[in-house]
Amino acid sequence: AQSVTQLDSQVPVFEEAPVELRCNYSSSVSVYLFWYVQYPNQGLQLLLKYLSGSTLVKGINGFEAEFNKSQTSFHLRKPSVHISDTAEYFCAVTIGPGLSNYQLIWGAGTKLIIKP
Amino acid sequence: DVKVTQSSRYLVKRTGEKVFLECVQDMDHENMFWYRQDPGLGLRLIYFSYDVKMKEKGDIPEGYSVSREKKERFSLILESASTNQTSMYLCASSLGGGTDEQYFGPGTRLTVT
Repeated sequence: AQSVTQLDSQVPVFEEAPVELRCNYSSSVSVYLFWYVQYPNQGLQLLLKYLSGSTLVKGINGFEAEFNKSQTSFHLRKPSVHISDTAEYFCAVTIGPGLSNYQLIWGAGTKLIIKP
Repeated sequence: DVKVTQSSRYLVKRTGEKVFLECVQDMDHENMFWYRQDPGLGLRLIYFSYDVKMKEKGDIPEGYSVSREKKERFSLILESASTNQTSMYLCASSLGGGTDEQYFGPGTRLTVT
């Protein structure tokens, strides 16, 4: 079965420091990759997505992610975090043709905790 | 802006009750989804619908059913609520297939006692 692994359940980081949130997936076929963010007491919203082309994808709020096919990874980075980045971040993948293409496979989430 | 609204933010029900969770989207999206979100488990798909009156089971459909009579509205039904269905329920919609962004509602936190 396909799976998405977010290696850290929580990542504490000081304000203005860089951060990397890790995501690995298991698939031998082409995938589409997504990062979503959930701010406290809100629904999820899309940060960025990789469909094809350049492996470095830029998203909203200064985040970027790099698709690495050989390592089956899609790590999320930000060079300098702000207190407003406190949220839970979810990595997700869609795989395959047909109806299975509609289904996102989700990681367990990583809580980003910004320390002042 | 796409808006996905859910009928309640918080709901408390008793074991055995029939529970209806409603979701409405205002952007004429083809696809709608119901997820449950539990700590450490991420989001798990319960059901999705790619057209009016069409539905597909997700990963955890047991104990749930859905209804989509109109394009903008997707209802999740718990036929006989149980305590293990206490969770956060998220509705989402998308225009097309797997490459398209899913837009989420704010969620309904359901407690079954």
